[in-house]
Amino acid sequence: NAGVTQTPKFQVLKTGQSMTLQCAQDMNHEYMSWYRQDPGMGLRLIHYSVGAGITDQGEVPNGYNVSRSTTEDFPLRLLSAAPSQTSVYFCASCGRGAYEQYFGPGTRLTVT
Amino acid sequence: SQQGEEDPQALSIQEGENATMNCSYKTSINNLQWYRQNSGRGLVHLILIRSNEREKHSGRLRVTLDTSKKSSSLLITASRAADTASYFCATDAWGNNRLAFGKGNQVVVIP
Repeated sequence: NAGVTQTPKFQVLKTGQSMTLQCAQDMNHEYMSWYRQDPGMGLRLIHYSVGAGITDQGEVPNGYNVSRSTTEDFPLRLLSAAPSQTSVYFCASCGRGAYEQYFGPGTRLTVT
Repeated sequence: SQQGEEDPQALSIQEGENATMNCSYKTSINNLQWYRQNSGRGLVHLILIRSNEREKHSGRLRVTLDTSKKSSSLLITASRAADTASYFCATDAWGNNRLAFGKGNQVVVIP
């Protein structure tokens, strides 16, 4: 199993540009989440999903959209990038009824 | 807002020594987890302790939980250079395993 995969690994955007961060898992996990990690801030939850077609906001959802059309994929969209969105983004998945979250390797995003 | 806070933030020890780090949280919990993050990598789950447990062991890891003080500690015994990483505690702050992470402890083990 590949586990949780994320693409791209690195991305530089200009302010106002849009992009989609990809996340996929092959463990048939129902729960998937997006976190951002900033220096000295730990990880903060952006959006999460408890299954295909079901998404909800986390702690810091502004400026991000998500959708979950399949169990495997959970893309994160930045509609109009801002410098404040410069961060490392992690996708994670977890089986229903389980606690251990599996994290992807992260996407390092810089917005100039 | 952060649910967890770890103290101390940075720790440098010699190989073979024990490393202890602490975490505090603000709300009632069902469980508390610890994760490790090696530089430039994603997080890896280490251990979970439930709210009705006071201590749990896994290999060289020992976790304690004091729900009256809303705090937890992680002890790594006989540390190795490979233990060099950041360690985060996380609580299921909002249900459905939506985790709130602390700010992390950076541990450097000197060979």
